[in-house]
Amino acid sequence: EVQLVESGGGLGQPGRSLRLSCAASGFIYDNYAMHWVRQAPGKGLEWVAGISWNSGSTMYADSVKGRLTISRDNAKNALYLQINSLRPEDAALYFCARGASSSVYYYIDLWGTGTTVTVSS
Amino acid sequence: DIQMTQSPSTLSASVGDRVTITCRASQSIGAWLAWYQQKPGKAPKLLIYKASSLERGVPSRFSGSGSGTEFTLTISSLQPDDFATYYCQQYNSYSRTFGQGTRVEVK
Repeated sequence: EVQLVESGGGLGQPGRSLRLSCAASGFIYDNYAMHWVRQAPGKGLEWVAGISWNSGSTMYADSVKGRLTISRDNAKNALYLQINSLRPEDAALYFCARGASSSVYYYIDLWGTGTTVTVSS
Repeated sequence: DIQMTQSPSTLSASVGDRVTITCRASQSIGAWLAWYQQKPGKAPKLLIYKASSLERGVPSRFSGSGSGTEFTLTISSLQPDDFATYYCQQYNSYSRTFGQGTRVEVK
């Protein structure tokens, strides 16, 4: 079964760091670009970051550039999102998502179920 | 950044209705547009890519059209399973933006 399972969410204090993970299974992971998309409570979808199949290209939303870092480990079929200097506006459900090709410039064709980040002191 | 604007924000409809949702881009994006369906508490699901290509397994009552700056998602005959929120997303530019969503609710 093709699957994306996120983990690592939870309660983080403002200014601290958090690392989200995503485990991929059921498909040839290093054939695909990957993305993170978030959704604040009761709000719409916000694309956050994307990475190509070989980590050669990374892309970030302007709102998170310099503070969030996307990375992947193809040997482990894993995707990561490092969130530094947590802000209240980072509180959201974070979805791991698969791009439709190896290029980061394609649409998203598969989504995980998400992991929730809460920011509070 | 390219801004994506969906209309309406909420749409009230009945089973069997023909439903149309519009998505407008702040600048031309060619046909680099996807549509997603999201139900409460669930992950989004891809419906349409490249403006008008139907994703495998998606019912043929869903269709997409448009290019440049104006796009539409049409549900030809609304089914009970279709009550959900729909999002467009452009993937033309470096920063791929979503529309704000259109909630299709029971009339």
